[in-house]
Amino acid sequence: DTEVTQTPKHLVMGMTNKKSLKCEQHMGHRAMYWYKQKAKKPPELMFVYSYEKLSINESVPSRFSPECPNSSLLNLHLHALQPEDSALYLCASSHTPGRLTDTQYFGPGTRLTVL
Amino acid sequence: GENVEQHPSTLSVQEGDSAVIKCTYSDSASNYFPWYKQELGKRPQLIIDIRSNVGEKKDQRIAVTLNKTAKHFSLHITETQPEDSAVYFCAAPIRSNTGKLIFGQGTTLQVKP
Repeated sequence: DTEVTQTPKHLVMGMTNKKSLKCEQHMGHRAMYWYKQKAKKPPELMFVYSYEKLSINESVPSRFSPECPNSSLLNLHLHALQPEDSALYLCASSHTPGRLTDTQYFGPGTRLTVL
Repeated sequence: GENVEQHPSTLSVQEGDSAVIKCTYSDSASNYFPWYKQELGKRPQLIIDIRSNVGEKKDQRIAVTLNKTAKHFSLHITETQPEDSAVYFCAAPIRSNTGKLIFGQGTTLQVKP
């Protein structure tokens, strides 16, 4: 299996809802990432997990809460989001944390709309 | 701070022509330079990458060149086809032990039949 998968593909939520995005990979990668991407913009790093531990938080608001239950799964819990949080949320993984020459493989993303 | 500049932001070519996209990076310690292609509504996909120990790499119609002295690298697509139409992002790692990539702002390539 050489893919990163994400669910759901699309999500519409109100500002008072709580929802979760899920990401999974079975490539044995030990670095996993969450990115936010607005239309016609590059992916913007949110969080990095290295060996299932949070290693980077790019000053992301606390209404976004990441979780890495095991080496194959990555979640992003959402609560009290704002309309400006509407975006494509991409998960990615790479083989060895901190090895800058490792390729990052992206999932298909979750298209989030906050009403 | 560390950044990656990418030019042009849009590029329109006729089918069969060549396309060149250029990126400049600021961190002299960067040693890995991937290029991603993102079609509308799809994930970014790696199309080619280059490591700092080589100056050029080719894969069929695409090639990447690296000039470490000038701190820039370029994507070359020859014999362009309509299916090459997409947004292309360059990226470079920043100096840290995190695997963090900085992406360029992207180039929208349109190949006209």
